[in-house]
Amino acid sequence: EDKVVQSPLSLVVHEGDTVTLNCSYEVTNFRSLLWYKQEKKAPTFLFMLTSSGIEKKSGRLSSILDKKELFSILNITATQTGDSAVYLCAVYSGGYQKVTFGTGTKLQVIP
Amino acid sequence: DADVTQTPRNRITKTGKRIMLECSQTKGHDRMYWYRQDPGLGLRLIYYSFDVKDINKGEISDGYSVSRQAQAKFSLSLESAIPNQTALYFCATSDSGTGTTEAFFGQGTRLTVV
Repeated sequence: EDKVVQSPLSLVVHEGDTVTLNCSYEVTNFRSLLWYKQEKKAPTFLFMLTSSGIEKKSGRLSSILDKKELFSILNITATQTGDSAVYLCAVYSGGYQKVTFGTGTKLQVIP
Repeated sequence: DADVTQTPRNRITKTGKRIMLECSQTKGHDRMYWYRQDPGLGLRLIYYSFDVKDINKGEISDGYSVSRQAQAKFSLSLESAIPNQTALYFCATSDSGTGTTEAFFGQGTRLTVV
């Protein structure tokens, strides 16, 4: 059975802090790993990672994948209150578009 | 206007009732999905459709059925709703032509079965 585990489950930090969110997975025939941000309702896409060791960056957010150790991290530097959200990790695998989501990390950034 | 639109946004229904959740998209994507989200369980795939004639069960399809009426429309039905189907339901789309698996989500339908 495919598994995606995110840690920590929740996190409270102060504005300006740097955070690292973790996603580890065990799937058959890995295809890609995606990070989403869910603020109120709909998850919104952040990054897609398919190759090990290549960092994806978007402003203060960055992510990297380690296919040997089967994990990915999402870094957020200089956090702002607008970063408060649930961050979801999703892994696509198999011959068809099978997707397994983690339960998410709830990040709260306080002023 | 949202690219992926779900109706209704909120619904309360009684046990045993039939209910349909609708999803329409203007993105021109060929693939559409239905997920449910429960606290502590994340997003789980109910059904997915790669095109109008291709519908597949996901991880938790029991108690649900779907219909892909057109490329832009994908509806989810609960034939006889039960309380443990209370959840937040998301429709999503993706484009097989882009080579990515990025999904675009609707705003969700909060369903409560009493």
